[in-house]
Amino acid sequence: QKEVEQNSGPLSVPEGAIASLNCTYSDRGSQSFFWYRQYSGKSPELIMSIYSNGDKEDGRFTAQLNKASQYVSLLIRDSQPSDSATYLCAVREYNFNKFYFGSGTKLNVKP
Amino acid sequence: DGGITQSPKYLFRKEGQNVTLSCEQNLNHDAMYWYRQDPGQGLRLIYYSQIVNDFQKGDIAEGYSVSREKKESFPLTVTSAQKNPTAFYLCASSGDTYNEQFFGPGTRLTVL
Repeated sequence: QKEVEQNSGPLSVPEGAIASLNCTYSDRGSQSFFWYRQYSGKSPELIMSIYSNGDKEDGRFTAQLNKASQYVSLLIRDSQPSDSATYLCAVREYNFNKFYFGSGTKLNVKP
Repeated sequence: DGGITQSPKYLFRKEGQNVTLSCEQNLNHDAMYWYRQDPGQGLRLIYYSQIVNDFQKGDIAEGYSVSREKKESFPLTVTSAQKNPTAFYLCASSGDTYNEQFFGPGTRLTVL
């Protein structure tokens, strides 16, 4: 059984701080990694995708991938109260169209 | 405007009834998926389809059925065999090997 693990939180950070969200996965052959944001009562929204080792930046978001350690992270700089949501880590199975999701980390950004 | 639509947004079912949830996409994606989400929980895969006229069971397929007669459409039927169907149902689609998965707005099903 392929697994994606996340700390459920809640993770609380003050407004303006950096929020760091972490995810580990079990399938060494995985090639594609994604972060989704889900507001309460809404569907998940894709915010970052990463395929190669290293960092990928998009605005206030940075995704980090370390395939050797089977570890993906998401950094949110200058956190805003509007970033308060549950963040889901997802891994796509190599050569297949199947995705595995973590249970999500709830982030609270306090004004 | 490309995207995934789901209907209805809210659905109420009586005990013993079958209900069908609609999912349509105009992203030209080959793969489509159905997930179930319970309050405070992650996503659980019900069924997925990689191509028209083909689909595979996910982790919690019992009590559900699907069809994939058109590339754009992947309806989910919640049968009376599903004993605890109250949940948030999410449809998604994805493109080529590295491409992301996108979600529809969801259908909230409540059993009365």
